[in-house]
Amino acid sequence: NAGVMQNPRHLVRRRGQEARLRCSPMKGHSHVYWYRQLPEEGLKFMVYLQKENIIDESGMPKERFSAEFPKEGPSILRIQQVVRGDSAAYFCASSPTRPEGRWHGYTFGSGTRLTVV
Amino acid sequence: GQQVMQIPQYQHVQEGEDFTTYCNSSTTLSNIQWYKQRPGGHPVFLIQLVKSGEVKKQKRLTFQFGEAKKNSSLHITATQTTDVGTYFCILTGANSKLTFGKGITLSVRP
Repeated sequence: NAGVMQNPRHLVRRRGQEARLRCSPMKGHSHVYWYRQLPEEGLKFMVYLQKENIIDESGMPKERFSAEFPKEGPSILRIQQVVRGDSAAYFCASSPTRPEGRWHGYTFGSGTRLTVV
Repeated sequence: GQQVMQIPQYQHVQEGEDFTTYCNSSTTLSNIQWYKQRPGGHPVFLIQLVKSGEVKKQKRLTFQFGEAKKNSSLHITATQTTDVGTYFCILTGANSKLTFGKGITLSVRP
């Protein structure tokens, strides 16, 4: 039973290029969350998705960032025209249910370390 | 809105010493979760607390949820070098809104 799979583990992009980060949730998990972690900072929520739906994108920058979780395939976090400030670790997490009541926490992937040069 | 305070940001202890950190919320919570992230690693779920005054233990780690469900503590007895990492909380508010603590980074001197 594979955990949350993220790829690539490391991604280097030049300023202005596009970055695509992929996340395959744990088997049986239909809720996916993306977080960004800047160096020396805590995790910052970006977006919460279920299959084909964005539930909460209150943490997503208004421009250049988008996320999807299609019916088939992994969730994708897309950053267009990357800038140096986008360099960070991007973590994906999944859960089988909404984060309320008694639930068993997120399962995090190993993250994608994005470096913009 | 819901705010969380987790201080200090860094703490250094001698191996064998006890360590305690807190997460304090400005509002009453539905539940609180604690995670640990090793340097260069990803967050790993430790525990969830739901009931007022709840206390849960995992070996040398003791987690407590305050009676008013607005704060929580994590206590490590006799720290070991394997305890190094960042410990952070995730708060779930009454409206299911999640708020992340910035975490406390623990270093242990052998």
